[in-house]
Amino acid sequence: NAGVTQTPKFQVLKTGQSMTLQCAQDMNHEYMSWYRQDPGMGLRLIHYSVGAGITDQGEVPNGYNVSRSTTEDFPLRLLSAAPSQTSVYFCASSRARGYGYTFGSGTRLTVV
Amino acid sequence: QQQVKQSPQSLIVQKGGISIINCAYENTAFDYFPWYQQFPGKGPALLIAIRPDVSEKKEGRFTISFNKSAKQFSLHIMDSQPGDSATYFCAASVGLGDDKIIFGKGTRLHILP
Repeated sequence: NAGVTQTPKFQVLKTGQSMTLQCAQDMNHEYMSWYRQDPGMGLRLIHYSVGAGITDQGEVPNGYNVSRSTTEDFPLRLLSAAPSQTSVYFCASSRARGYGYTFGSGTRLTVV
Repeated sequence: QQQVKQSPQSLIVQKGGISIINCAYENTAFDYFPWYQQFPGKGPALLIAIRPDVSEKKEGRFTISFNKSAKQFSLHIMDSQPGDSATYFCAASVGLGDDKIIFGKGTRLHILP
């Protein structure tokens, strides 16, 4: 099993560009989430999903969109990149409530 | 507002010592409290978790203590080893929900050899 796979691992964007961070899991997990990690800020929830076709906003959703058309994939879209979105992004999945998340290895995004 | 407050920000402990990280929360609806461990360049990994119906949970050298009335919980690492050097995050969620876990800001732990 590959677990949670995130691509790309590194990305540099110019302000105003858009892009999609990919996340795929092969564990048939229902729950998936996106977090961003910034120095001294911990992990902040961007969006989450409790199953295919169901998504909701987390703590810091502005500037990001998500969709969940399949159980396996949960892409995160940056609509118009801003320097404030420079961060490390983690995707995570869980098979059910109370079982804890499995995290991907992260995408380091720099917006210049 | 910060829903889960974690302290200290950084911690240095001698090998063989006890590492203690504390967290406090405000939302009394929280009912699932996991701890995650993160090594540099890696994603966080679930270490241990507790629910408020128990006051303590132990797994190997790692123990969570939970004080429901004070709305506080802590991680104790006994016989700390250099390999334990990592960033530790406490977290909390409502309704055993792994769909919306709120994290503390993290503690960077360094174990001196």
